[in-house]
Amino acid sequence: AQSVTQLGSHVSVSEGALVLLRCNYSSSVPPYLFWYVQYPNQGLQLLLKYTTGATLVKGINGFEAEFKKSETSFHLTKPSAHMSDAAEYFCAVSAGNQFYFGTGTSLTVIP
Amino acid sequence: GAVVSQHPSWVICKSGTSVKIECRSLDFQATTMFWYRQFPKQSLMLMATSNEGSKATYEQGVEKDKFLINHASLTLSTLTVTSAHPEDSSFYICSARDWGSQPQHFGDGTRLSIL
Repeated sequence: AQSVTQLGSHVSVSEGALVLLRCNYSSSVPPYLFWYVQYPNQGLQLLLKYTTGATLVKGINGFEAEFKKSETSFHLTKPSAHMSDAAEYFCAVSAGNQFYFGTGTSLTVIP
Repeated sequence: GAVVSQHPSWVICKSGTSVKIECRSLDFQATTMFWYRQFPKQSLMLMATSNEGSKATYEQGVEKDKFLINHASLTLSTLTVTSAHPEDSSFYICSARDWGSQPQHFGDGTRLSIL
């Protein structure tokens, strides 16, 4: 079975500060992992994905995530937060035809 | 690439009416489409999974007679909320993916308000 846990339903950072959104997963098979961003009243936009290969994955808008099998983690980071990064972020794990989302983390950027 | 169009983006209707929401993959063939419901400040709740040409698979607790899903072609799936009531008001989001590709690509969602 697969599941995703996002630690921290709300995260606040100052503009220009490091963004760290945490995601831990459990999977009985090698997982495919994803981060999505959702702006108000919109659908989800894919930020980045890990399938196989390099464990450090770079995505859009300066975000990146590192797959750490030993820690079963796939944390999302961005070196310097921008006001436009304020949104809801969802981590997801996929196995076969099933997709499992975390409960989401709301990111607030303080000017 | 991988654009999913969802229509309408916002609908308001009277209680008792039926509402149809369309989900189209514009530049790829969507072997599988997913329908989600999202309540304010919450994550997505998977309602059903549909494969082209097959009956949809509904998640536990989702009324299949209430939420009719049709996936008649590789680029179009529809969700019809039948005899809608105020408790059906929500944000509905579809997603699609093609064969052998893992990411789901999402539509922009439909805000449904039942008066």
